[in-house]
Amino acid sequence: GENVEQHPSTLSVQEGDSAVIKCTYSDSASNYFPWYKQELGKRPQLIIDIRSNVGEKKDQRIAVTLNKTAKHFSLHITETQPEDSAVYFCAAGNTDKLIFGTGTRLQVFP
Amino acid sequence: GAVVSQHPSRVICKSGTSVKIECRSLDFQATTMFWYRQFPKKSLMLMATSNEGSKATYEQGVEKDKFLINHASLTLSTLTVTSAHPEDSSFYICSARGAPGLAGGRYEQYFGPGTRLTVT
Repeated sequence: GENVEQHPSTLSVQEGDSAVIKCTYSDSASNYFPWYKQELGKRPQLIIDIRSNVGEKKDQRIAVTLNKTAKHFSLHITETQPEDSAVYFCAAGNTDKLIFGTGTRLQVFP
Repeated sequence: GAVVSQHPSRVICKSGTSVKIECRSLDFQATTMFWYRQFPKKSLMLMATSNEGSKATYEQGVEKDKFLINHASLTLSTLTVTSAHPEDSSFYICSARGAPGLAGGRYEQYFGPGTRLTVT
């Protein structure tokens, strides 16, 4: 069945450093790859997404890259801040459904 | 825009009773809503896809007779956990898929705040 793997499960960085989270997916029909940020007890919030016709997308300190051939996509956060601390989920899918990765708990230390 | 609400936010029920959770899209029409279950410190597990006016599509391993889904209008989907047991205790989150014309188009899912169900 469809599967999305996400690494690492936890990530600790110093404020100002960069953070990278990687995901791989199995369903070659996937054409939409969003990233969600979830703070404790709150709803997931979309932070950036990419579609399969694009290899890279950037929004201020956040960027996502996609390698469709290898079925890999990654989230890059630069100049991390303590408020970036949260759980981040990748997902892969299409208009029918999304399959979520297992999540990465990011801690940014001041 | 694209706000999704869920009610109740928390519910405690006794084993054997049924609980209904509502998911509403407040400022847009959602032909498709999704129901997820999230265990503590775990990922979102898709339970079912709810389409307005038709039967829900359940993921493998999800009991459709236990988790009843109704999507009676373009702004409301309900999940009823029937004959709840302690193992049904979890965080249930719905999402509504954007329609053409919204910023995310037909792809982006907007999430509700979730419902924490505790079965005693």
